[in-house]
Amino acid sequence: DAGVIQSPRHEVTEMGQEVTLRCKPISGHDYLFWYRQTMMRGLELLIYFNNNVPIDDSGMPEDRFSAKMPNASFSTLKIQPSEPRDSAVYFCASSLLAGGQRNTGELFFGEGSRLTVL
Amino acid sequence: QQPVQSPQAVILREGEDAVINCSSSKALYSVHWYRQKHGEAPVFLMILLKGGEQKGHEKISASFNEKKQQSSLYLTASQLSYSGTYFCGTDPGPGNQFYFGTGTSLTVIP
Repeated sequence: DAGVIQSPRHEVTEMGQEVTLRCKPISGHDYLFWYRQTMMRGLELLIYFNNNVPIDDSGMPEDRFSAKMPNASFSTLKIQPSEPRDSAVYFCASSLLAGGQRNTGELFFGEGSRLTVL
Repeated sequence: QQPVQSPQAVILREGEDAVINCSSSKALYSVHWYRQKHGEAPVFLMILLKGGEQKGHEKISASFNEKKQQSSLYLTASQLSYSGTYFCGTDPGPGNQFYFGTGTSLTVIP
């Protein structure tokens, strides 16, 4: 089975440019998460969706960041305009709601998108 | 709210044992453990749902003490393949956010 698929794997852009990161979750998974990883802050949750609906976006740094999930098989994270401090690895992860409870299932991570903003 | 892990880093020789601790300031519903190798994505190791529960994965096991809001990961007879950064993930329950811990870098040398 295909895992979580992210693109691009690497992105180098200049400050002020728009960046769009893409994610295809594992088919059948109800939850989708966007994380950002840096040496200083570790793994930070930016936003997560349940059945395509954004549930908690309190981790989104500021209005420059936006995320959408138009359908169950696709999500985007957009940064506009980008800044050097946005440089990080962005991970998408998905999981399956188990047993009718709040999500207690394992997270399946994509390989990440490494963003460098010059 | 981010759980604190200790130690921050540890170096072991093959065959030695290690313990990684994860401590939360909030009551916990479950604890996850993940391992991330350099340049790769985190990979799930195990989840613990009940207080005092202990689970195992190869020679890696973990315990979860609900009352103390702590979890520990035990690595026995470490192998070179165990090298990586270990993260706990804590779930305080419905209505609360899942947080990853500060991470513990583990290096196993021959």
